[in-house]
Amino acid sequence: SAVISQKPSRDICQRGTSLTIQCQVDSQVTMMFWYRQQPGQSLTLIATANQGSEATYESGFVIDKFPISRPNLTFSTLTVSNMSPEDSSIYLCSVPSDGLNTEAFFGQGTRLTVV
Amino acid sequence: RKEVEQDPGPFNVPEGATVAFNCTYSNSASQSFFWYRQDCRKEPKLLMSVYSSGNEDGRFTAQLNRASQYISLLIRDSKLSDSATYLCVSSRDTDKLIFGTGTRLQVFP
Repeated sequence: SAVISQKPSRDICQRGTSLTIQCQVDSQVTMMFWYRQQPGQSLTLIATANQGSEATYESGFVIDKFPISRPNLTFSTLTVSNMSPEDSSIYLCSVPSDGLNTEAFFGQGTRLTVV
Repeated sequence: RKEVEQDPGPFNVPEGATVAFNCTYSNSASQSFFWYRQDCRKEPKLLMSVYSSGNEDGRFTAQLNRASQYISLLIRDSKLSDSATYLCVSSRDTDKLIFGTGTRLQVFP
Protein backbone atom coordinates (compact mmCIF):
# COMPACT_ATOMS: atom_id res chain seq x y z
CA SER A 1 0.00 0.00 0.00
CA ALA A 2 1.00 3.63 -0.41
CA VAL A 3 0.79 6.36 2.19
CA ILE A 4 -0.04 9.77 0.81
CA SER A 5 0.35 12.99 2.72
CA GLN A 6 -1.74 15.80 1.28
CA LYS A 7 -1.77 19.38 2.46
CA PRO A 8 -3.32 21.69 3.27
CA SER A 9 -6.27 19.73 4.59
CA ARG A 10 -8.51 22.76 4.20
CA ASP A 11 -8.34 26.41 3.28
CA ILE A 12 -10.58 29.41 2.80
CA CYS A 13 -9.38 31.66 0.01
CA GLN A 14 -10.36 34.94 -1.54
CA ARG A 15 -11.61 34.93 -5.09
CA GLY A 16 -8.95 35.81 -7.63
CA THR A 17 -6.14 34.22 -5.63
CA SER A 18 -4.41 30.87 -6.18
CA LEU A 19 -3.85 27.88 -3.93
CA THR A 20 -1.24 25.18 -4.34
CA ILE A 21 -1.99 21.73 -2.97
CA GLN A 22 0.84 19.31 -2.28
CA CYS A 23 0.93 15.52 -2.27
CA GLN A 24 3.83 13.48 -0.97
CA VAL A 25 3.93 9.70 -1.45
CA ASP A 26 6.02 7.36 0.66
CA SER A 27 7.19 5.42 -2.40
CA GLN A 28 8.09 6.11 -6.01
CA VAL A 29 5.15 6.02 -8.39
CA THR A 30 5.01 6.62 -12.11
CA MET A 31 1.60 8.25 -12.24
CA MET A 32 -0.30 10.44 -9.86
CA PHE A 33 -3.86 11.57 -10.38
CA TRP A 34 -5.68 14.67 -9.28
CA TYR A 35 -9.43 14.56 -8.67
CA ARG A 36 -12.08 17.07 -7.74
CA GLN A 37 -15.15 16.21 -5.70
CA GLN A 38 -17.75 18.95 -5.68
CA PRO A 39 -20.32 19.05 -2.89
CA GLY A 40 -22.64 16.07 -3.07
CA GLN A 41 -20.92 14.75 -6.19
CA SER A 42 -18.55 11.95 -7.01
CA LEU A 43 -14.93 12.25 -8.01
CA THR A 44 -14.00 13.80 -11.35
CA LEU A 45 -10.52 13.32 -12.74
CA ILE A 46 -8.75 16.61 -13.42
CA ALA A 47 -5.45 15.35 -14.80
CA THR A 48 -2.76 12.71 -14.72
CA ALA A 49 0.61 13.95 -13.47
CA ASN A 50 3.49 12.19 -15.19
CA GLN A 51 7.04 12.59 -14.00
CA GLY A 52 9.25 14.13 -16.67
CA SER A 53 6.46 15.23 -18.99
CA GLU A 54 3.48 17.54 -19.12
CA ALA A 55 0.38 16.55 -17.23
CA THR A 56 -2.49 15.10 -19.23
CA TYR A 57 -5.74 16.98 -18.66
CA GLU A 58 -9.26 15.64 -18.92
CA SER A 59 -11.96 17.33 -20.94
CA GLY A 60 -13.10 20.51 -19.25
CA PHE A 61 -9.84 21.12 -17.39
CA VAL A 62 -6.97 23.26 -18.67
CA ILE A 63 -3.40 23.83 -17.64
CA ASP A 64 -3.82 27.57 -17.16
CA LYS A 65 -6.47 26.99 -14.51
CA PHE A 66 -4.96 23.88 -12.89
CA PRO A 67 -1.19 23.88 -13.41
CA ILE A 68 0.47 20.72 -12.12
CA SER A 69 4.05 20.03 -11.20
CA ARG A 70 5.69 16.63 -10.88
CA PRO A 71 9.33 17.23 -10.05
CA ASN A 72 10.05 13.65 -8.95
CA LEU A 73 8.44 10.26 -8.47
CA THR A 74 7.17 10.93 -4.95
CA PHE A 75 5.75 14.44 -5.13
CA SER A 76 3.21 16.51 -7.06
CA THR A 77 1.42 19.80 -6.72
CA LEU A 78 -1.86 21.07 -8.12
CA THR A 79 -2.54 24.79 -8.24
CA VAL A 80 -6.05 26.16 -8.45
CA SER A 81 -5.56 29.51 -10.16
CA ASN A 82 -7.61 32.69 -10.17
CA MET A 83 -10.17 31.07 -7.94
CA SER A 84 -13.90 31.71 -8.00
CA PRO A 85 -16.61 30.35 -5.68
CA GLU A 86 -17.30 27.62 -8.27
CA ASP A 87 -13.88 26.17 -7.44
CA SER A 88 -15.05 25.38 -3.90
CA SER A 89 -14.59 21.66 -3.71
CA ILE A 90 -12.54 18.84 -2.28
CA TYR A 91 -9.36 18.12 -4.21
CA LEU A 92 -7.74 14.70 -3.89
CA CYS A 93 -4.54 13.20 -5.17
CA SER A 94 -4.31 9.51 -5.88
CA VAL A 95 -1.77 6.88 -6.83
CA PRO A 96 -2.33 3.36 -8.14
CA SER A 97 -0.93 0.35 -6.36
CA ASP A 98 1.50 -1.93 -8.15
CA GLY A 99 0.35 -3.14 -11.52
CA LEU A 100 -2.42 -2.01 -13.79
CA ASN A 101 -6.08 -1.83 -12.92
CA THR A 102 -5.63 -2.32 -9.26
CA GLU A 103 -6.40 -0.45 -6.11
CA ALA A 104 -5.94 3.32 -5.91
CA PHE A 105 -4.83 5.09 -2.77
CA PHE A 106 -5.96 8.59 -1.96
CA GLY A 107 -4.64 11.49 0.00
CA GLN A 108 -6.84 12.83 2.75
CA GLY A 109 -8.18 15.57 0.50
CA THR A 110 -8.06 19.36 0.56
CA ARG A 111 -11.34 21.08 1.33
CA LEU A 112 -11.27 24.41 -0.47
CA THR A 113 -13.76 27.20 0.10
CA VAL A 114 -13.56 30.29 -2.08
CA VAL A 115 -15.26 33.41 -0.77
CA ARG B 1 -24.72 10.26 -20.16
CA LYS B 2 -22.22 9.47 -17.41
CA GLU B 3 -19.82 6.62 -18.06
CA VAL B 4 -20.66 4.97 -14.74
CA GLU B 5 -24.17 5.39 -13.36
CA GLN B 6 -25.57 4.59 -9.96
CA ASP B 7 -28.75 5.25 -8.05
CA PRO B 8 -27.72 8.01 -5.59
CA GLY B 9 -30.13 6.77 -2.91
CA PRO B 10 -30.23 7.25 -0.02
CA PHE B 11 -31.00 3.70 0.95
CA ASN B 12 -32.30 3.66 4.52
CA VAL B 13 -32.29 0.15 5.95
CA PRO B 14 -32.56 -1.36 9.44
CA GLU B 15 -29.71 -3.25 11.03
CA GLY B 16 -29.60 -6.83 9.85
CA ALA B 17 -31.19 -6.10 6.49
CA THR B 18 -29.81 -7.14 3.14
CA VAL B 19 -29.31 -4.34 0.64
CA ALA B 20 -28.21 -4.38 -2.99
CA PHE B 21 -26.69 -1.63 -5.09
CA ASN B 22 -26.56 -1.65 -8.85
CA CYS B 23 -24.33 0.15 -11.26
CA THR B 24 -24.12 0.31 -15.05
CA TYR B 25 -21.22 1.33 -17.23
CA SER B 26 -21.39 2.55 -20.80
CA ASN B 27 -17.86 1.94 -22.09
CA SER B 28 -17.44 -1.64 -23.25
CA ALA B 29 -13.66 -1.13 -23.19
CA SER B 30 -13.77 -1.00 -19.40
CA GLN B 31 -11.68 -3.82 -18.05
CA SER B 32 -11.64 -3.61 -14.29
CA PHE B 33 -14.27 -2.76 -11.77
CA PHE B 34 -14.28 -1.89 -8.10
CA TRP B 35 -16.47 -0.84 -5.25
CA TYR B 36 -15.07 1.93 -3.08
CA ARG B 37 -16.46 3.13 0.20
CA GLN B 38 -16.37 6.79 1.19
CA ASP B 39 -17.24 7.90 4.68
CA CYS B 40 -18.43 11.44 5.28
CA ARG B 41 -15.57 13.93 4.88
CA LYS B 42 -13.07 11.16 4.22
CA GLU B 43 -11.21 9.92 1.16
CA PRO B 44 -12.49 6.88 -0.78
CA LYS B 45 -11.08 3.49 0.16
CA LEU B 46 -11.24 0.25 -1.75
CA LEU B 47 -13.97 -2.07 -0.53
CA MET B 48 -13.49 -4.81 -3.07
CA SER B 49 -12.61 -5.55 -6.65
CA VAL B 50 -15.28 -7.08 -8.87
CA TYR B 51 -14.56 -10.19 -10.92
CA SER B 52 -16.59 -11.77 -13.69
CA SER B 53 -17.01 -14.93 -11.66
CA GLY B 54 -18.39 -12.96 -8.75
CA ASN B 55 -16.59 -12.62 -5.46
CA GLU B 56 -17.43 -12.53 -1.81
CA ASP B 57 -15.74 -10.94 1.17
CA GLY B 58 -17.56 -11.68 4.39
CA ARG B 59 -20.95 -10.00 4.24
CA PHE B 60 -20.19 -8.37 0.89
CA THR B 61 -20.75 -9.95 -2.52
CA ALA B 62 -19.88 -8.28 -5.81
CA GLN B 63 -20.93 -9.42 -9.26
CA LEU B 64 -20.17 -8.33 -12.80
CA ASN B 65 -22.23 -8.96 -15.90
CA ARG B 66 -20.18 -7.91 -18.91
CA ALA B 67 -22.92 -8.68 -21.40
CA SER B 68 -25.29 -6.27 -19.69
CA GLN B 69 -22.50 -3.92 -18.52
CA TYR B 70 -23.82 -4.14 -15.03
CA ILE B 71 -22.18 -4.42 -11.61
CA SER B 72 -23.77 -5.13 -8.27
CA LEU B 73 -22.89 -5.07 -4.60
CA LEU B 74 -24.85 -7.03 -2.02
CA ILE B 75 -24.47 -6.34 1.70
CA ARG B 76 -25.92 -8.91 4.06
CA ASP B 77 -26.69 -8.44 7.75
CA SER B 78 -26.18 -4.67 7.57
CA LYS B 79 -24.36 -3.01 10.44
CA LEU B 80 -24.58 0.59 11.61
CA SER B 81 -20.95 0.93 10.58
CA ASP B 82 -21.87 0.14 6.97
CA SER B 83 -23.42 3.61 6.67
CA ALA B 84 -21.41 5.36 3.98
CA THR B 85 -21.42 6.21 0.29
CA TYR B 86 -20.55 3.33 -2.02
CA LEU B 87 -18.81 4.28 -5.24
CA CYS B 88 -18.90 2.09 -8.33
CA VAL B 89 -15.65 2.45 -10.26
CA SER B 90 -14.38 1.27 -13.63
CA SER B 91 -11.07 1.51 -15.38
CA ARG B 92 -9.79 0.77 -18.88
CA ASP B 93 -6.25 -0.10 -19.84
CA THR B 94 -4.64 2.52 -17.64
CA ASP B 95 -4.79 3.23 -13.96
CA LYS B 96 -7.29 6.03 -14.54
CA LEU B 97 -10.44 5.36 -12.54
CA ILE B 98 -13.92 6.46 -13.55
CA PHE B 99 -16.21 6.99 -10.58
CA GLY B 100 -19.95 6.73 -10.40
CA THR B 101 -21.84 9.33 -8.43
CA GLY B 102 -22.10 7.01 -5.45
CA THR B 103 -24.98 5.42 -3.56
CA ARG B 104 -25.58 6.58 -0.04
CA LEU B 105 -26.47 3.95 2.54
CA GLN B 106 -27.85 4.74 5.97
CA VAL B 107 -28.32 1.83 8.36
CA PHE B 108 -30.55 2.60 11.34
CA PRO B 109 -30.95 0.73 14.66
